[in-house]
Amino acid sequence: EPEVTQTPSHQVTQMGQEVILRCVPISNHLYFYWYRQILGQKVEFLVSFYNNEISEKSEIFDDQFSVERPDGSNFTLKIRSTKLEDSAMYFCASEGETQYFGPGTRLLVL
Amino acid sequence: DAKTTQPTSMDCAEGRAANLPCNHSTISGNEYVYWYRQIHSQGPQYIIHGLKNNETNEMASLIITEDRKSSTLILPHATLRDTAVYYCIVRVAGGKLIFGQGTELSVKP
Repeated sequence: EPEVTQTPSHQVTQMGQEVILRCVPISNHLYFYWYRQILGQKVEFLVSFYNNEISEKSEIFDDQFSVERPDGSNFTLKIRSTKLEDSAMYFCASEGETQYFGPGTRLLVL
Repeated sequence: DAKTTQPTSMDCAEGRAANLPCNHSTISGNEYVYWYRQIHSQGPQYIIHGLKNNETNEMASLIITEDRKSSTLILPHATLRDTAVYYCIVRVAGGKLIFGQGTELSVKP
């Protein structure tokens, strides 16, 4: 069964560093999403992406965040200058008939 | 904010049916009811969705009331592996998912 994959599974970084989280969506899906979940809190929508552009973004998704689909298969989330409060699980999702989530990347900013 | 209301927690005996309720009294005509679950901090797992008819798949059944203001997810024979947080979400097709706090289901031996 096709699935969404994410790398790395865990990432530890220093505050102020750039991180890139990678996702491989399900191959025939056209809609892509990033969500995050701070420990003990709700899953929060960050951004949706369709037809090579952002279709919707939340207030969380400020200028420090960017998304890209560089090669037609990968879908990346970049955080330019990480802050302590960016520590969270980041989930990628892709959608064909419905949305399927990847296993997540646990980001820890020190 | 989430447009759904769910009980915070529920218990179910292993092997029995788990019936998880959800209220969505402000649902719009073009919004679907989706159910996902999350085990520990894993990625949310899709379970089932419906618009107005009842739906069944290999995981669960979804019963939607005629006025569409509430629904029930049924896990027919709950196992210990069904212990998770269950989210009821309403959304238009192709839109973002807005997660609430969900129902923490504990399946007990």
